[in-house]
Amino acid sequence: QKEVEQDPGPLSVPEGAIVSLNCTYSNSAFQYFMWYRQYSRKGPELLMYTYSSGNKEDGRFTAQVDKSSKYISLFIRDSQPSDSATYLCAMWGANAGKSTFGDGTTLTVKP
Amino acid sequence: DAGVIQSPRHEVTEMGQEVTLRCKPISGHNSLFWYRQTMMRGLELLIYFNNNVPIDDSGMPEDRFSAKMPNASFSTLKIQPSEPRDSAVYFCASTRAANSPLHFGNGTRLTVT
Repeated sequence: QKEVEQDPGPLSVPEGAIVSLNCTYSNSAFQYFMWYRQYSRKGPELLMYTYSSGNKEDGRFTAQVDKSSKYISLFIRDSQPSDSATYLCAMWGANAGKSTFGDGTTLTVKP
Repeated sequence: DAGVIQSPRHEVTEMGQEVTLRCKPISGHNSLFWYRQTMMRGLELLIYFNNNVPIDDSGMPEDRFSAKMPNASFSTLKIQPSEPRDSAVYFCASTRAANSPLHFGNGTRLTVT
C-alpha cells in the first residue's frame, strides 16, 4: 500500500463548478502538506502549503487538512478553464527527509 | 530568480547510448532532487542531495543510472546504457530547506528508441 493515495480521476467539470481533490495518507508523522499544479509539458508548481491540521485559503483555492483522519483536500471555487491541469498532493515529515507525492488527479474544466 | 534550469528539454536517443541530463538549481538552495515521471508510475524520486552529498539513492532503478553533484550549482543524471523503458520525463527540483516546498524545472523529455 502506498503512503499517499490520491483520487485518480480524471475529473471533468463545467466552468464555474466547485472542485474537490482529495488525498489520504498512512504516515502519521507527516507535518507539512502541499498541493502542486502541473500544466502539460511543464514541471509541477506549488499551489498551496500548509502545516498541520486546519484550513488555508488563497483566492479561489482552499486547502484542508484533517490529521485525525489522515485526509487532505483541495477545493477550487468558481473553476476556470485555466485550472485545467494535473494536481498532485505531497507531504513531508521530519522522519522522511523528502516529500512523498500522490499520483495526481487530472482536471479538465470545460467552458 | 531564473528558477531551476534543466537541459536538454528533449532528448531522443537509440538504445544502448549514454544519456546525460543536466540541472542548475536555484541559487542558495541546499537540497536537490531528481524525479522521473511516467503515466504508469507517476512521479518517482530517484535520488536527492543535501549540500552536494547524496542522501538517498534508493529510487535509482539500476546501476545503469548514476547522479553527481560536483558543486552547489550543478548536477547531472546519467543513464548508461539507455533502454526504451527509460523513456520518461525527468525532473530536477531544489529547495532551501528540508521542510520547504520544492521548486521544479520544466523537465527533460527522454525518448529511447
